[in-house]
Amino acid sequence: SQQGEEDPQALSIQEGENATMNCSYKTSINNLQWYRQNSGRGLVHLILIRSNEREKHSGRLRVTLDTSKKSSSLLITASRAADTASYFCATASNTGKLIFGQGTTLQVKP
Amino acid sequence: DAGVTQSPTHLIKTRGQQVTLRCSPKSGHDTVSWYQQALGQGPQFIFQYYEEEERQRGNFPDRFSGHQFPNYSSELNVNALLLGDSALYLCASARDRGLYTEAFFGQGTRLTVV
Repeated sequence: SQQGEEDPQALSIQEGENATMNCSYKTSINNLQWYRQNSGRGLVHLILIRSNEREKHSGRLRVTLDTSKKSSSLLITASRAADTASYFCATASNTGKLIFGQGTTLQVKP
Repeated sequence: DAGVTQSPTHLIKTRGQQVTLRCSPKSGHDTVSWYQQALGQGPQFIFQYYEEEERQRGNFPDRFSGHQFPNYSSELNVNALLLGDSALYLCASARDRGLYTEAFFGQGTRLTVV
């Protein structure tokens, strides 16, 4: 079963704009991870945020985590056409199992 | 570092047949998990192998089985294939069951059942 609900399901923006994706989950977590997937290929790990962290940055990526609301957001700043992909959040329990959301499909128009 | 490698890349099988998919984890990783991703969906956890034993299992029937070898590589076997088993099968590796670190994924095996 899917734990996460991702919002929006699809997002279309112009190059240079920022893209924000949200993820909500249901149970307690050890950490939350964000992945990118291009055209049905393998998942590329973007960033991991632990349950005791509130915000994390990596290059143009900014992730926030609110455990009281059981939600996370991924912000991609100054988007590029190469950022076009599907983005998934995945929650990790204390057993290491990852539970994925349905994903957000991002299209960045040049 | 070759990362996580999976074989084959694509596979076409007939209903009722059996299939074996293979995965070599990233160097230094001892845990392998398998996921099934249907078209347009997020990956679904099948099972996790650590120390050559199945440690966790998702909501998949017994037709799905696996194995982990002493070198940490892993196989996923699916028996009595159904049309609904058509999907992208992803292997992920991690250290120490992935409890505190990220998982790295292979490029996947695209299985088509006809």
